Amino acid sequence: GENVEQHPSTLSVQEGDSAVIKCTYSDSASNYFPWYKQELGKRPQLIIDIRSNVGEKKDQRIAVTLNKTAKHFSLHITETQPEDSAVYFCAASKIAGNQFYFGTGTSLTVIP
Amino acid sequence: GAVVSQHPSWVICKSGTSVKIECRSLDFQATTMFWYRQFPKQSLMLMATSNEGSKATYEQGVEKDKFLINHASLTLSTLTVTSAHPEDSSFYICSARGGTGLYGYTFGSGTRLTVV
Repeated sequence: GENVEQHPSTLSVQEGDSAVIKCTYSDSASNYFPWYKQELGKRPQLIIDIRSNVGEKKDQRIAVTLNKTAKHFSLHITETQPEDSAVYFCAASKIAGNQFYFGTGTSLTVIP
Repeated sequence: GAVVSQHPSWVICKSGTSVKIECRSLDFQATTMFWYRQFPKQSLMLMATSNEGSKATYEQGVEKDKFLINHASLTLSTLTVTSAHPEDSSFYICSARGGTGLYGYTFGSGTRLTVV
């Protein structure tokens, strides 16, 4: 089965700085990698996703990079704001298989 | 956009009783729904995949007789925690395909179960 590892588990940054969260996966057949943001007691919200045929994707202050060879992908948040504070989860999936396997989560705190 | 409604949002039950959690896709049909469990400050752990009209597929280590899943229609899946014990206390959350993203999966709002 798939094993997704995520680092760091906690991350504190000053407002305006960048934050980077990294994930690795084990199953080379995985080809879809979403990132979710979860606030305390609430449902995860999709913030960005990428397929394996793309190396990078950007949406305003958020970007994701994927290295298929090394089987790792990263979330980059620039110009962080206090409202970015939340727990972020990466996930890996085989699109045809539907199942998501989540990383262990990163608690991001943006200090005003 | 796609909405997945989950009820109840919070439930307290006595040890030994059963609790049913409902997950509904409101504006789309979901042939497949997923049930996750999340302990405080931990990740979402996939418990089972619920397929409409057929038996659910459980992840290794998840007791199928304890966590009963029914997916009788294209818009409703239920998870019943039978003979609940305090160690079953957790945040349970469902998801279904449909929504934003390339292969959008929309999550329910989650159910906080506390067994006393």
